[in-house]
Amino acid sequence: DAKTTQPPSMDCAEGRAANLPCNHSTISGNEYVYWYRQIHSQGPQYIIHGLKNNETNEMASLIITEDRKSSTLILPHATLRDTAVYYCIPHTGTASKLTFGTGTRLQVTL
Amino acid sequence: NAGVMQNPRHLVRRRGQEARLRCSPMKGHSHVYWYRQLPEEGLKFMVYLQKENIIDESGMPKERFSAEFPKEGPSILRIQQVVRGDSAAYFCASSPLQQMNTEAFFGQGTRLTVV
Repeated sequence: DAKTTQPPSMDCAEGRAANLPCNHSTISGNEYVYWYRQIHSQGPQYIIHGLKNNETNEMASLIITEDRKSSTLILPHATLRDTAVYYCIPHTGTASKLTFGTGTRLQVTL
Repeated sequence: NAGVMQNPRHLVRRRGQEARLRCSPMKGHSHVYWYRQLPEEGLKFMVYLQKENIIDESGMPKERFSAEFPKEGPSILRIQQVVRGDSAAYFCASSPLQQMNTEAFFGQGTRLTVV
């Protein structure tokens, strides 16, 4: 499994953009970068994934560097409900286990 | 389309009893995964099942834990002779049959407390 490095915690003011970085320098060519989050006491929630192109959906944007060794999840207008632990997970996208690291604990404040 | 359903949401067992945790995957999903989250720790993979088959049990403790996903009905995670260290949140996830570019959908978990 590819190893990931994420900052343990970040703060963001409500309404501002939250930019969450992830280093995944050992990612394999067939692995996507997946992002999940876990709001306190709830089950993890899928956010977005990408292979090498930037991606955007209704929840977030994903920026992947050209060498694919790092990526940034962007929540364009963070709200208090975005307070959660965010996990970056390289994964082939096939039916197989997800390996969760320690993630980044994002605290959105007023 | 209902999401992944886990029950019970909370389960209290005395030491030595058995715990049975149930997971109904999303409609049309044939792959089920179980994860455990100990207090203040991250999610750890336990087992991956398809209908009637265990595909990957590399994260399952060698004793007291078993899992099944029968042809009919929910997936069951069974813990025999529970101990205090089994107290944790147990999450189930499911994914569809397609082999590429999928995401997993998680249930809300079962919180097991062993007293």
